[in-house]
Amino acid sequence: DTGVSQNPRHKITKRGQNVTFRCDPISEHNRLYWYRQTLGQGPEFLTYFQNEAQLEKSRLLSDRFSAERPKGSFSTLEIQRTEQGDSAMYLCASSPGDRDNQPQHFGDGTRLSIL
Amino acid sequence: AQTVTQSQPEMSVQEAETVTLSCTYDTSESDYYLFWYKQPPSRQMILVIRQEAYKQQNATENRFSVNFQKAAKSFSLKISDSQLGDAAMYFCAYRTAQGGSEKLVFGKGTKLTVNP
Repeated sequence: DTGVSQNPRHKITKRGQNVTFRCDPISEHNRLYWYRQTLGQGPEFLTYFQNEAQLEKSRLLSDRFSAERPKGSFSTLEIQRTEQGDSAMYLCASSPGDRDNQPQHFGDGTRLSIL
Repeated sequence: AQTVTQSQPEMSVQEAETVTLSCTYDTSESDYYLFWYKQPPSRQMILVIRQEAYKQQNATENRFSVNFQKAAKSFSLKISDSQLGDAAMYFCAYRTAQGGSEKLVFGKGTKLTVNP
């Protein structure tokens, strides 16, 4: 069990640029989640995958945001035309999905800074 | 929509003492799950303890225990024999047990400082 891995750890970009983050879940975890955490706040849910299917999306996930999990393993989160308000920590989590109420295991996050 | 409120932005405790962190939530559902997560500085969030709403017995994990009051919609975390390594942000979280939603709803967190 190597844990949830997120890359990069920190991304600095100019406003208007596109960015992509990657998340590698714990091996054999079927469920994968994305959250966003701004300073002084708790994480906010963005989206959730069961294998390759995106089953739930928050209204926070505007049309500039897209997430994929093409083979049911790693996932990517892309933000197009970044804005100042996108500056945040983006957290990925995974869970086994074989039984109900399995805990979500979080990665270290990717911190996005918009200049 | 469900909401989670942590009314204590910061708390401090002396090493070896006991501290209680408060959490209240708002829901119209009867079946749900509650969690406490710990987020040390610059480190990943880890699960501390969880409680199923249908269970009346309060969950316990070593030095960590909860006081779950379903009618009052209260879910406090008690840390006994506090250690320096307990210093972190603590987040209370809610998840429905109905309708297949997997999202966790988090409070704003409580920053716990442990004084030697």
